[in-house]
Amino acid sequence: GAVVSQHPSWVICKSGTSVKIECRSLDFQATTMFWYRQFPKQSLMLMATSNEGSKATYEQGVEKDKFLINHASLTLSTLTVTSAHPEDSSFYICSAPHREVGETQYFGPGTRLLVL
Amino acid sequence: EDKVVQSPLSLVVHEGDTVTLNCSYEVTNFRSLLWYKQEKKAPTFLFMLTSSGIEKKSGRLSSILDKKELSSILNITATQTGDSAIYLCAVVREYGNKLVFGAGTILRVKS
Repeated sequence: GAVVSQHPSWVICKSGTSVKIECRSLDFQATTMFWYRQFPKQSLMLMATSNEGSKATYEQGVEKDKFLINHASLTLSTLTVTSAHPEDSSFYICSAPHREVGETQYFGPGTRLLVL
Repeated sequence: EDKVVQSPLSLVVHEGDTVTLNCSYEVTNFRSLLWYKQEKKAPTFLFMLTSSGIEKKSGRLSSILDKKELSSILNITATQTGDSAIYLCAVVREYGNKLVFGAGTILRVKS
């Protein structure tokens, strides 16, 4: 089946540093990818839609200057959390729709971020 | 504003019990509804429902969509401890692939 990978799977960083998370579709091309954030015992909240070759679309309340998204190729999207603060600590998950199986979306394994 | 509501929010049952999880939605230009199971990591896909009244089945899990009632149910029969997870319902609109998620139902199956 379709596979989406994320790297790193977990990261601990100091407050004020930037962290880059990669999302790759391994056996299919994805012109669109989605980034979600999930706090403990809560549902997934969509942060932004990553579009290959154009600017990302951010959901209301998500700071685009803080969460930089780059969709450099048909298989790679990156999310950079800039000047991270402890409140950015969360589980970040990407997903990609697979055209050949309709709008079923495949999720990456997630990246757990802890900002000290 | 699009809304997806799941109930109950949490549920504790014993092994062998049957459970029914509910999902209702208010979405502009509905296209499909998806169910996911989430354990420790990212959600894994269970079902995609687009047509009303057609049951989808996979082992002990089954799901059906009622477009008239704007809702779906996910049934799990003969529950096992491995069914313990968060079950997420999400809706896709007609244009674009954005998923609107419900809050999830936390299911715990006791042995």
